[in-house]
Amino acid sequence: GEDVEQSLFLSVREGDSSVINCTYTDSSSTYLYWYKQEPGAGLQLLTYIFSNMDMKQDQRLTVLLNKKDKHLSLRIADTQTGDSAIYFCAERAGSGGYNKLIFGAGTRLAVHP
Amino acid sequence: EAGVAQSPRYKIIEKRQSVAFWCNPISGHATLYWYQQILGQGPKLLIQFQNNGVVDDSQLPKDRFSAERLKGVDSTLKIQPAKLEDSAVYLCASSPAGRGDTQYFGPGTRLTVL
Repeated sequence: GEDVEQSLFLSVREGDSSVINCTYTDSSSTYLYWYKQEPGAGLQLLTYIFSNMDMKQDQRLTVLLNKKDKHLSLRIADTQTGDSAIYFCAERAGSGGYNKLIFGAGTRLAVHP
Repeated sequence: EAGVAQSPRYKIIEKRQSVAFWCNPISGHATLYWYQQILGQGPKLLIQFQNNGVVDDSQLPKDRFSAERLKGVDSTLKIQPAKLEDSAVYLCASSPAGRGDTQYFGPGTRLTVL
């Protein structure tokens, strides 16, 4: 079946790096996504990675994909207080022409001075 | 470019009442999604439209939930009658075309059922 799991909480000091981890089950997933949700807001796409890649870097964000272990991580360098939010990992699942996103429960990132 | 619009932002109703949510996707986006996000969980897909046709409603509780997308643009999601467990944030998203393109989310409607 399709399932995405994440740790629920992460607390880091401002300026440190944050690493948020995710595991998924659908080995046929073609794309994996990271979304950010701030209080009272919808989901904002942060970045995504295609399944034939093992790393993608975008400014302060680095995504690592271990397809063998079905493990995805998001590293935020120089974490700032504005990065405090809930981060959702999602896999594109399904077959045929219309796929859907399966989300994890989200990791709440708290950044303290 | 305007984002996905949703209204209302908040709604409080009593159980067994009816409620409707509205979504206006990004202009030109053919695919529209409704998700339910219960507190402490990730969003769960309820229904997916491609233009004005339904392509996936396998997770929609059809005894009480209904959705339509007339003319392939705006969409409404209705709950009738509401139950306590329907309390959640209802998110609308759209993408340019159907095949798993990047989805862009609206701010959501927070529903509280008392």
